[in-house]
Amino acid sequence: QVTLKESGPALVKPTQTLTLTCTFSGFSLSTIGMRVSWIRQPPGKALEWLARIDWDDDKFYSTSLKTRLTISKDTSKNQVVLTMTDMDPVDTATYYCARMSTAMVGFDYWGQGTLVTVSS
Amino acid sequence: EIVLTQSPGTLSLSPGERATLSCRASQSVSSSYLAWYQQKPGQAPRLLIYGASSRATGIPDRFSGSGSGTDFTLTISRLEPEDFAVYYCQQYGSSPYSFGQGTKLEIK
Repeated sequence: QVTLKESGPALVKPTQTLTLTCTFSGFSLSTIGMRVSWIRQPPGKALEWLARIDWDDDKFYSTSLKTRLTISKDTSKNQVVLTMTDMDPVDTATYYCARMSTAMVGFDYWGQGTLVTVSS
Repeated sequence: EIVLTQSPGTLSLSPGERATLSCRASQSVSSSYLAWYQQKPGQAPRLLIYGASSRATGIPDRFSGSGSGTDFTLTISRLEPEDFAVYYCQQYGSSPYSFGQGTKLEIK
């Protein structure tokens, strides 16, 4: 059974760095072709893809946010970590992690999401 | 970077009717790596269609996808009450990945 779960602070102050952890089970990020992405959704708005990390440690980022994002993985712990620097109130959103498997069938499993509010 | 534009923004229909949602890409989507998701309030998105036209596991056959290149369509043949939600297209053929802005399907 595949599951993903996001964790991190619910509230961060402007200019702070956000660190989110995606803890997953039911698959391995060392399996060839496996990928995990982070996606966010401001309240009442559309989904926005943020970053991706692959089984071979390749990393890809949103063009508009790449200077602020870092994605990493700990295969032994089944975790993917996203850091976002210089947080702003416009970064208030629900942050999701999601899996894309070797079969390349889109994001077939998602976490429940975690709401992060940026406010002083 | 591929920009996806969905239309219409809102679609008002009645149960039993047919829904047609459009997704247009700013450049060709590689290998038809185009997916559709359904999202209900307070829930994570759910994968409906991948590879432009393949239904994900457990998705009813009233949902179908079509298209290639830059023009894609999600069709719901006969709307059920549980189908009223927001629908997003997403391309995963090239990085950075991208989502459309969504189409809200509401009850008329």
